[in-house]
Amino acid sequence: GQQLNQSPQSMFIQEGEDVSMNCTSSSIFNTWLWYKQDPGEGPVLLIALYKAGELTSNGRLTAQFGTTRKDSFLNISASIPSDVGIYFCAGSRNDYKLSFGAGTTVTVRA
Amino acid sequence: GAVVSQHPSRVICKSGTSVKIECRSLDFQATTMFWYRQFPKQSLMLMATSNEGSKATYEQGVEKDKFLINHASLTLSTLTVTSAHPEDSSFYICSASLDTQYFGPGTRLTVL
Repeated sequence: GQQLNQSPQSMFIQEGEDVSMNCTSSSIFNTWLWYKQDPGEGPVLLIALYKAGELTSNGRLTAQFGTTRKDSFLNISASIPSDVGIYFCAGSRNDYKLSFGAGTTVTVRA
Repeated sequence: GAVVSQHPSRVICKSGTSVKIECRSLDFQATTMFWYRQFPKQSLMLMATSNEGSKATYEQGVEKDKFLINHASLTLSTLTVTSAHPEDSSFYICSASLDTQYFGPGTRLTVL
């Protein structure tokens, strides 16, 4: 599927910091999803967004479905060490296939 | 809920042999499952869409005779890598579709 433009590619976090990442696309998606993948594991669904403009929270995570339906962002508030991992955005249209971003690698700053 | 399992979690095989990977939805039925391949430090690439009771749909560039998919029941899809070669070594991940896609834990295939 079409790759989404996800940024940043990587980031270093300090415990307690808020972090943000986003995804953009040149075309419209009906659903935006955010997954987290730990090394050697499959992606785990964090947040699913189904409506343009929707803002959804899951604990310290907040994600929004852009009003143009071509972008989404994910915020993590008050980060903790277990937030490290790779975060992927994904979008789908009507065929339920997912197009993935390249991922944002989150690492704890020493 | 929405738990997906894969078996085996890792497999090492000799070049030229075939390897079967199972994907099961444990607490729901899935008409559609998906198979992905992920190379190190890369994103997930969709290989094929597996539909219960019908033929799989393969993405462009994926050899259907090499990656055989069978979706015989609403809770099980299998991917068989036939005549595996070292370049087939990768992390294979399945997902099952409910309200959205839920992923299995992945299978690490190493072909010697």
